Amino acid sequence: EIVLTQSPGTLSLSPGETATLSCRASQSLSSNYMAWYQQKPGQAPRLLVYGASSRATGIPDRFSASGSGTDFTLTISRLEPEDFAVYYCQRKTFGQGTKVEIK
Amino acid sequence: QVQLVQSGAEVKSPGASVKVACKASGYSFTDYGFSWVRQAPGQGLEWMGWLSSSNGNTRYIEKFQGRVTMTTDTSTSTAYMELRSLTSGDTAVYYCARTLWFGDLYYFDYWGQGTLVTVSS
Repeated sequence: EIVLTQSPGTLSLSPGETATLSCRASQSLSSNYMAWYQQKPGQAPRLLVYGASSRATGIPDRFSASGSGTDFTLTISRLEPEDFAVYYCQRKTFGQGTKVEIK
Repeated sequence: QVQLVQSGAEVKSPGASVKVACKASGYSFTDYGFSWVRQAPGQGLEWMGWLSSSNGNTRYIEKFQGRVTMTTDTSTSTAYMELRSLTSGDTAVYYCARTLWFGDLYYFDYWGQGTLVTVSS
């Protein structure tokens, strides 16, 4: 079973900054498929990105994803107040999450 | 618009069973399967398994084999997840999620609002 490890555990940033979230797989992946989700307190997760880097419906273009092999990244440019949340990567199983908090 | 509306919170005793419902609307029910994902308090997300809405095929992770049953009622566009022999470790929010497959991989494009299941004596 492939284990996904996300880092950092918590990212403290200010609105307007760029967040770079890492998701590392325990073994090299045959395809660069990865999904990313956002979860706010008390809410269900929301799909952000699926496939290699396709944004889900209604997701702004400040969210972008990339990666291959064992290393995958979600980048959030120009952080907006509503972007502060927990983010999960997923490929079958989920990573443990990265919390993006306001500095 | 696509909506998944789940049944309300449950409190169960250890050893009991719980059945959570997830009513879908806004799309053709049998075109997509469902996964169930749970989240223990303060913890991450755990995929429990998947159910085809068109033919009833299921795939459960080993951890829940023999203890979980996922079903659908196409007449009411509702998916169900029953978990038996509950322990305190099953206390969690349970989510249904519409599931799309990409080869042997999958992702979840719409989620229910979650159902809190509390197991307590």
